[in-house]
Amino acid sequence: LAKTTQPISMDSYEGQEVNITCSHNNIATNDYITWYQQFPSQGPRFIIQGYKTKVTNEVASLFIPADRKSSTLSLPRVSLSDTAVYYCLVGDTVLFGNRDDKIIFGKGTRLHILP
Amino acid sequence: DAGVIQSPRHEVTEMGQEVTLRCKPISGHNSLFWYRQTMMRGLELLIYFNNNVPIDDSGMPEDRFSAKMPNASFSTLKIQPSEPRDSAVYFCASSLTSGAQETQYFGPGTRLLVL
Repeated sequence: LAKTTQPISMDSYEGQEVNITCSHNNIATNDYITWYQQFPSQGPRFIIQGYKTKVTNEVASLFIPADRKSSTLSLPRVSLSDTAVYYCLVGDTVLFGNRDDKIIFGKGTRLHILP
Repeated sequence: DAGVIQSPRHEVTEMGQEVTLRCKPISGHNSLFWYRQTMMRGLELLIYFNNNVPIDDSGMPEDRFSAKMPNASFSTLKIQPSEPRDSAVYFCASSLTSGAQETQYFGPGTRLLVL
């Protein structure tokens, strides 16, 4: 499973566009990039997934450059309710087998939206 | 569908006691995952099942932890004996398959406090 690095925390204001970047330098050819969102006292929930270029849904956009060594989750016009932890995951399957690194979600990025 | 169901939602117990956490996955999902979340380590995968068979339990911290999935609609995570360092939020998630492209649906979690 490719190791990911993302900022520990970010602050932004209501109405702004927020971009959270995730680095995954050793991403493999078959790996997908998936983002989850977790609100306090809830389990994570799927936001968006992509393989290359750009993916957009009703919640967010995901930008993936040609080398796929990073990805950027873009949240348009955030509101206070977007305050949450955002996780970046990279992998081709959730089969961990003999992998040494069992932590796939990690600590994520704590996004705090200010009024 | 009611989503992934976990019980109990909260558990307070004393060190040395046995703790059993329960999970009912979404009907039709073939993969089930148990996670543990702490501030220190974030969200960690403990074990996952595919078609009721444990595939990878290498994330289970030690022999005090065990998990079973006797049928497609029920799984348990047991800690015996429990220790204060086991205090965490335990999430169960399910997905159609174990592929990374499949969305994982998380339950509300069980908040465990071991005194």
